[in-house]
Amino acid sequence: GAVVSQHPSRVICKSGTSVKIECRSLDFQATTMFWYRQFPKQSLMLMATSNEGSKATYEQGVEKDKFLINHASLTLSTLTVTSAHPEDSSFYICSALRGSRGDTQYFGPGTRLTVL
Amino acid sequence: QKEVEQDPGPLSVPEGAIVSLNCTYSNSAFQYFMWYRQYSRKGPELLMYTYSSGNKEDGRFTAQVDKSSKYISLFIRDSQPSDSATYLCAMSADSSASKIIFGSGTRLSIRP
Repeated sequence: GAVVSQHPSRVICKSGTSVKIECRSLDFQATTMFWYRQFPKQSLMLMATSNEGSKATYEQGVEKDKFLINHASLTLSTLTVTSAHPEDSSFYICSALRGSRGDTQYFGPGTRLTVL
Repeated sequence: QKEVEQDPGPLSVPEGAIVSLNCTYSNSAFQYFMWYRQYSRKGPELLMYTYSSGNKEDGRFTAQVDKSSKYISLFIRDSQPSDSATYLCAMSADSSASKIIFGSGTRLSIRP
C-alpha cells in the first residue's frame, strides 16, 4: 500500500497564532510531497511542492512567508500557517509521491483548520 | 478555459444502476489519467490510474481514456450507497506525476 497520514485532523486556533500540520508517508519514502488547499465543494488547489532537503516551490499567489514548508526527512513534511487569519480557514491536504516511474500521488486524510 | 472540465453534479442514481462519470481536457500532452474518490471531509483516495488511451477494469470500476477526443470516463457497475462521494478526475503530462491537474469533482449520490 501507500499510506499517508496527517496530524492533526482538525485544529481550531485564534487569529494571529501559528499552526503546524504534519504529513507523513508511513510505508514508503517520499522525496517529493505536495500541499493542497480545498475550499468547500471545490477541487484541490496546489499550494506548494516540497522536496526533501531543499526549499519548497510555491505556486503563484501563495505566500511563502505565510505558509512555511519543511521537508526534513523522506517521510515527513510540515506546513506551518503563520499568523493565521479567518480567511486561512480551509481543508489542507498533503500528498506524497512514491517515486516509482509511472506512479502517482497518494493523499493524506486532510486537516481542517478553523481560525477564529 | 480550464485545462480539465468536469460536471460538478450532483448526480443521483438508484442503487444497482450503472454510473458514468466524465471529464474533458484541452492539453494534448496529458498522458496519465487518474480517478480519485473523496468522501466528505476526507482526503482523496486513488481509484484508477491509466496511461494513454484504452480501458482498465478493477472490480466494479472501469476507466476509459480516449485521447483523440480528449475525453475520459469512469464507469461504476452495480452501484452501492457506499459509492456516494465526490469523484475527481486528474491528469498529468509526465510519469513522475509531479504536476497533477484536477477536475472540479462530481458529487455522486446512490439512493438505496
